[in-house]
Amino acid sequence: RKEVEQDPGPFNVPEGATVAFNCTYSNSASQSFFWYRQDCRKEPKLLMSVYSSGNEDGRFTAQLNRASQYISLLIRDSKLSDSATYLCGVPNFGNEKLTFGTGTRLTIIP
Amino acid sequence: NAGVTQTPKFRVLKTGQSMTLLCAQDMNHEYMYWYRQDPGMGLRLIHYSVGEGTTAKGEVPDGYNVSRLKKQNFLLGLESAAPSQTSVYFCASSYDERRDFNTGELFFGEGSRLTVL
Repeated sequence: RKEVEQDPGPFNVPEGATVAFNCTYSNSASQSFFWYRQDCRKEPKLLMSVYSSGNEDGRFTAQLNRASQYISLLIRDSKLSDSATYLCGVPNFGNEKLTFGTGTRLTIIP
Repeated sequence: NAGVTQTPKFRVLKTGQSMTLLCAQDMNHEYMYWYRQDPGMGLRLIHYSVGEGTTAKGEVPDGYNVSRLKKQNFLLGLESAAPSQTSVYFCASSYDERRDFNTGELFFGEGSRLTVL
């Protein structure tokens, strides 16, 4: 099993819809989790951090399921500007290094 | 406050040539990282450093060397470039919020596009 796995997509979603995608991880000792957003030909930028069961920031909700070892990202009322690749990052025990999934590509359709 | 700066932004090399990518951060971060990103492969960790004078191997270290002589700089070297090293390279740093704890949240540079012919 890979350390961090994501559905690569692409997810093509109409504007205004709700979309969710998951990220599974293998290291049960990981304590914190991150969702990054990466626009085409740009660097990844932190979208949300998840340290406990979940986190919400406006239209974005990240949830953690430790028992099943996955985190999810929910985007409500999607906007055209949400089109990007979303990367899941999971640190090793001790947080020395971050392992990323391959990313999920999201396109919001007008 | 520039954050994380990478130089050069673009470079074309011939097979066998050597080069060094420079990463500089002005946030006083302890941890620094070099990743490469290839289509369909996501971000893969090459080498990282948990402090000045220290380096460690990541997931794909072969063909690369690194040095962290100063806290703010992390250099990535390619001794003999190969076409398989054509990629986008990202440097990142992270903040040690407590004395001995790192959250793992990374701040990235803009990337360096390297083509090896």
